[in-house]
Amino acid sequence: NAGVTQTPKFQVLKTGQSMTLQCAQDMNHEYMSWYRQDPGMGLRLIHYSVGAGITDQGEVPNGYNVSRSTTEDFPLRLLSAAPSQTSVYFCASSYLPGTESTDTQYFGPGTRLTVL
Amino acid sequence: AQSVAQPEDQVNVAEGNPLTVKCTYSVSGNPYLFWYVQYPNRGLQFLLKYITGDNLVKGSYGFEAEFNKSQTSFHLKKPSALVSDSALYFCAVRDRSGRGGGSQGNLIFGKGTKLSVKP
Repeated sequence: NAGVTQTPKFQVLKTGQSMTLQCAQDMNHEYMSWYRQDPGMGLRLIHYSVGAGITDQGEVPNGYNVSRSTTEDFPLRLLSAAPSQTSVYFCASSYLPGTESTDTQYFGPGTRLTVL
Repeated sequence: AQSVAQPEDQVNVAEGNPLTVKCTYSVSGNPYLFWYVQYPNRGLQFLLKYITGDNLVKGSYGFEAEFNKSQTSFHLKKPSALVSDSALYFCAVRDRSGRGGGSQGNLIFGKGTKLSVKP
């Protein structure tokens, strides 16, 4: 049981480049989400999904796209990278809310992205 | 709007002393509250949560948190701090804004409090 995995761990992009941050979980969780962490701002929700084929925007979705073709995978795409997207990105997963004993979110190790 | 506040950017404690990391919240309805810890260059790890029931919640690594509805607080505590407790601590509340579409699974985080425990 690997939990939540993210690749790559580090990435440097030039302004305007595109890339995909990968996230996978092996816990059969319905809910998956992407956060960005910036100093002094905590974690802010980018996009989330409650199941395959279902995604929605969070607090800071601009410049990012997501898709959910399988339960296990939830990639985050940067379409045209900007310096403002320099951040640490975390993926998380959980069972759907309502099952309070099991709806704790589990986080991946993060991807540190720098956009020059 | 729903929010979480952590009023202290940093808390300094001597090893062996009790520690408190403060958190206050503003939500509609009953809050679902969480504490997470982040060690350097690592992801977030779940410490404990309050859903309902006893106001004192016990979690991992000897931490506990006290839910106080009248003061809208959920402070994290530990009776005796360890140097290894030094980390970044986040308080979070589940989104109860009622937007639907599964948004109730989303967490709203505070800005984090850096805990430094000195020998």
